[in-house]
Amino acid sequence: SAVISQKPSRDICQRGTSLTIQCQVDSQVTMMFWYRQQPGQSLTLIATANQGSEATYESGFVIDKFPISRPNLTFSTLTVSNMSPEDSSIYLCSVAGTGDTEAFFGQGTRLTVV
Amino acid sequence: AQKVTQAQTEISVVEKEDVTLDCVYETRDTTYYLFWYKQPPSGELVFLIRRNSFDEQNEISGRYSWNFQKSTSSFNFTITASQVVDSAVYFCALMNGGSNYKLTFGKGTLLTVNP
Repeated sequence: SAVISQKPSRDICQRGTSLTIQCQVDSQVTMMFWYRQQPGQSLTLIATANQGSEATYESGFVIDKFPISRPNLTFSTLTVSNMSPEDSSIYLCSVAGTGDTEAFFGQGTRLTVV
Repeated sequence: AQKVTQAQTEISVVEKEDVTLDCVYETRDTTYYLFWYKQPPSGELVFLIRRNSFDEQNEISGRYSWNFQKSTSSFNFTITASQVVDSAVYFCALMNGGSNYKLTFGKGTLLTVNP
């Protein structure tokens, strides 16, 4: 299994600011994803982070709000831009394609926007 | 379209009771994968099991067991002799058989095990 390090683990941010979340994997992986979990809710896929090209966003999510980078096969960042209290959520990095269709998650970033 | 339904929003049991968490899925794919994850209060998502659509064998791992039935599109999870440390939100998820590896999650079941 892949070891995924995500940081920060939590943050409290002022509205209108931006936060960049980092996801580092200990081995090269085919796929990296970013999910959002709003309070008391399930996980929703934000986007697929593509290595060397623009991320693929799911319906309801746009690049201007959630810019994503993936410069190589082991690292990705998600930025939550111009934050509002509605962005308060847990953001989780996920990797897949390490073999045998497994899917693993980082420990999550608990974001509170005030 | 894919869908995962966890009809039980919350379950509360007393320690040492057995508890079953239900999961029903919908997919048009013939090849797919089903997952269960545990999310304790700390927030991380802990992988418990993956099962592919061609393997209907039930699986047991310690106090955990999983019952996969394609005929009813269900993938239920049973905890035997529950413990307080089992208290968490449990998510069932579905991945289609293509190469995109995306997961569709159910809404989760909050399990509380009381001493």
